[in-house]
Amino acid sequence: IAGITQAPTSQILAAGRRMTLRCTQDMRHNAMYWYRQDLGLGLRLIHYSNTAGTTGKGEVPDGYSVSRANTDDFPLTLASAVPSQTSVYFCASRREGRDTEAFFGQGTRLTVV
Amino acid sequence: GQQLNQSPQSMFIQEGEDVSMNCTSSSIFNTWLWYKQDPGEGPVLLIALYKAGELTSNGRLTAQFGITRKDSFLNISASIPSDVGIYFCAGQLPGTYKYIFGTGTRLKVLA
Repeated sequence: IAGITQAPTSQILAAGRRMTLRCTQDMRHNAMYWYRQDLGLGLRLIHYSNTAGTTGKGEVPDGYSVSRANTDDFPLTLASAVPSQTSVYFCASRREGRDTEAFFGQGTRLTVV
Repeated sequence: GQQLNQSPQSMFIQEGEDVSMNCTSSSIFNTWLWYKQDPGEGPVLLIALYKAGELTSNGRLTAQFGITRKDSFLNISASIPSDVGIYFCAGQLPGTYKYIFGTGTRLKVLA
């Protein structure tokens, strides 16, 4: 693993099903983020985590949950998927420090039908 | 909530032309970042700005952190076909680890 890895790369999901998107980073970054990208809306923050054991809500958290049991992993769960959650999901991470920036995974394309 | 207004939404330019795009907000940010996204890929960092007034270059790219901390611009000089993509600005909210993204500028370069 090098950098940030997201899985799966794409998924078609039936409405009402539960789904977990995985994100793993090997850079020992403290902060991790989940964004969704929709046409015309750019990237919107769903949830974030400043460090292992803590999480926070972003701009569009409803219908999503996250956990941060350790530094490397930050899974995003859709408890009961709805079609409006069709999107491309990006995970990002950032190391601790004042002047640092976020690095992104390759994305997960999720279609809820 | 906080919003970043990014403009223009899209641009069609001739190869060799210079490009300018900007982001503005009613909120103050500690950090401004500029990313480029190619189709099917995640955003890749181009330039990071950490201080108000800072002007930073990366090859043909130049970006500035506005003195009011509420805006930033990105310039691309002498555009080439591989500059095609979507460019995003992102601002870090003070006292947080959160980044807010602009809606993107879609750039197309005509050879």
